[in-house]
Amino acid sequence: DAKTTQPNSMESNEEEPVHLPCNHSTISGTDYIHWYRQLPSQGPEYVIHGLTSNVNNRMASLAIAEDRKSSTLILHRATLRDAAVYYCILRDSGAGSYQLTFGKGTKLSVIP
Amino acid sequence: NAGVMQNPRHLVRRRGQEARLRCSPMKGHSHVYWYRQLPEEGLKFMVYLQKENIIDESGMPKERFSAEFPKEGPSILRIQQVVRGDSAAYFCASSAATGRETQYFGPGTRLLVL
Repeated sequence: DAKTTQPNSMESNEEEPVHLPCNHSTISGTDYIHWYRQLPSQGPEYVIHGLTSNVNNRMASLAIAEDRKSSTLILHRATLRDAAVYYCILRDSGAGSYQLTFGKGTKLSVIP
Repeated sequence: NAGVMQNPRHLVRRRGQEARLRCSPMKGHSHVYWYRQLPEEGLKFMVYLQKENIIDESGMPKERFSAEFPKEGPSILRIQQVVRGDSAAYFCASSAATGRETQYFGPGTRLLVL
């Protein structure tokens, strides 16, 4: 899987939007962009994924750059429960690509 | 719909003992993955199993570690003769199929070796 680069940490005030960036300049045409998050002492939780178009679900939005070399996970209104480590992961769409490669992620702190 | 279940949530073993970690995938999922998270590190893939088959164990240490996913019952990750370096959080994930299918993770088993 291609490599991703994320800031080590970010802070946000509660109830404000949060934009978590991810750079993936070596992304291939068949790589999907996945986001997971890991709350303290819990397992990773799937957040969202996309290929080329922006995606929305009940948890977040994913904005993908036109050249696909970067993406941004958007939490529209941060809550204390959103404090977690957020991982941006590239996955090839091929059937044999099942390993998730977790980097260090971005540790998001939410300030009340 | 119950999620991925793992037990025990916490396990304490002395050096040289055996550790057995269990994982029940989500209903309808037949693919199981095990990951290990050492303290202050990211998750690392260990093994991928389908029912009664090990598909990829490239991330498993060569000795003392084994995994199975029998036709009936949960997947088991077994660590023989544990050492202090085995202390970690072990996470199981499941999916309905491979490739693009989303993996859903369990809460993990935290193994402490004394």
